[in-house]
Amino acid sequence: DSGVTQTPKHLITATGQRVTLRCSPRSGDLSVYWYQQSLDQGLQFLIQYYNGEERAKGNILERFSAQQFPDLHSELNLSSLELGDSALYFCASSPRGGWDIQYFGAGTRLSVL
Amino acid sequence: DQQVKQNSPSLSVQEGRISILNCDYTNSMFDYFLWYKKYPAEGPTFLISISSIKDKNEDGRFTVFLNKSAKHLSLHIVPSQPGDSAVYFCAASGSSGGGADGLTFGKGTHLIIQP
Repeated sequence: DSGVTQTPKHLITATGQRVTLRCSPRSGDLSVYWYQQSLDQGLQFLIQYYNGEERAKGNILERFSAQQFPDLHSELNLSSLELGDSALYFCASSPRGGWDIQYFGAGTRLSVL
Repeated sequence: DQQVKQNSPSLSVQEGRISILNCDYTNSMFDYFLWYKKYPAEGPTFLISISSIKDKNEDGRFTVFLNKSAKHLSLHIVPSQPGDSAVYFCAASGSSGGGADGLTFGKGTHLIIQP
């Protein structure tokens, strides 16, 4: 058990809808990262938050947004969903950032029908 | 353009022998490299890392070698055990001990340990 909790485990929705994925980091970790794993692309970095502030952006679409709350949990919001957004979404956390090891949650599997 | 490449989608090794997983990268700004192991229905689990100031790091049965001039790293598992059967991801970061960056992952190598 990595100590990173992601909910829900599975999500099935329709095209055009909006969903929210939730992540609780390990106790004491200030950095949260979101990754998308699709069949053909592998694990892709989306965005990082550090202590409530956005710190780094990767290949995140404009339809996607995230935030980190004062209690350090994070939410990833996906809107105007398309079939191609079907993927596994992983959250990871680390104490700070940089060379810190990132610990991953078990992921949320999103299916857009 | 894939900046971290794992050219072998799968690798089969006999129990007790050495497993060698390879990874190549193209971005010369990467200075920190990690290996993660992933079982089905679980998230990636950290295995071992190496910074660009070293060329070898060892942790029990796992050793990572870094060849900066060739932009190549490898993970050696000796001896291989059945529980090592998993997908192994190579990852790289451009953070230099305090920078902010997500990890860039390879597509993974599925290691199968044969009894």
